[in-house]
Amino acid sequence: QKEVEQNSGPLSVPEGAIASLNCTYSDRGSQSFFWYRQYSGKSPELIMFIYSNGDKEDGRFTAQLNKASQYVSLLIRDSQPSDSATYLCAVIGNQFYFGTGTSLTVIP
Amino acid sequence: EPEVTQTPSHQVTQMGQEVILRCVPISNHLYFYWYRQILGQKVEFLVSFYNNEISEKSEIFDDQFSVERPDGSNFTLKIRSTKLEDSAMYFCASSPGTRLTGELFFGEGSRLTVL
Repeated sequence: QKEVEQNSGPLSVPEGAIASLNCTYSDRGSQSFFWYRQYSGKSPELIMFIYSNGDKEDGRFTAQLNKASQYVSLLIRDSQPSDSATYLCAVIGNQFYFGTGTSLTVIP
Repeated sequence: EPEVTQTPSHQVTQMGQEVILRCVPISNHLYFYWYRQILGQKVEFLVSFYNNEISEKSEIFDDQFSVERPDGSNFTLKIRSTKLEDSAMYFCASSPGTRLTGELFFGEGSRLTVL
């Protein structure tokens, strides 16, 4: 059973559109949820974290958490070509689990 | 800005050889991690280290792997007898806080190629 699942994509959106990235997790006891961005050949870097149900906004990014549904999402508003990367959902349960990542391409 | 540094950036080795990957975590961080990422696949947890001992390890982290913090700054991953399937990018990460609250700060990675 996979701990963290994401659609691998690729997801393509036009510049300026909203990109929506989704993640489900299996460990109901998980308490902390993170979104990392990974450019090709580079290490992951943190975008946002969320602990509580609901929405958390940071600039163009909004993380949404629904613990009852075991679902966490990331919305990127006004998508830019520089947002093109793989987005990794990470969940802290017994370990720090990463999903397989969703590849996002923002088309100019 | 403090960062996690890893050496070497790329290592090529023959199957069966021992490899040591080195990491210098951010100085005031308490938790240290090794992850690996096989090309095109997900980032996989190997091991976490706290208070000079392994706190958790995955099923990937078998007897061929070991970690050490030989002094106050370095954190090393040793692979005793490399296999072809050990070829991957190995990321070191450190975290200032507990697992439940800690953001992971990643190094740039060490690419290991086993021939």
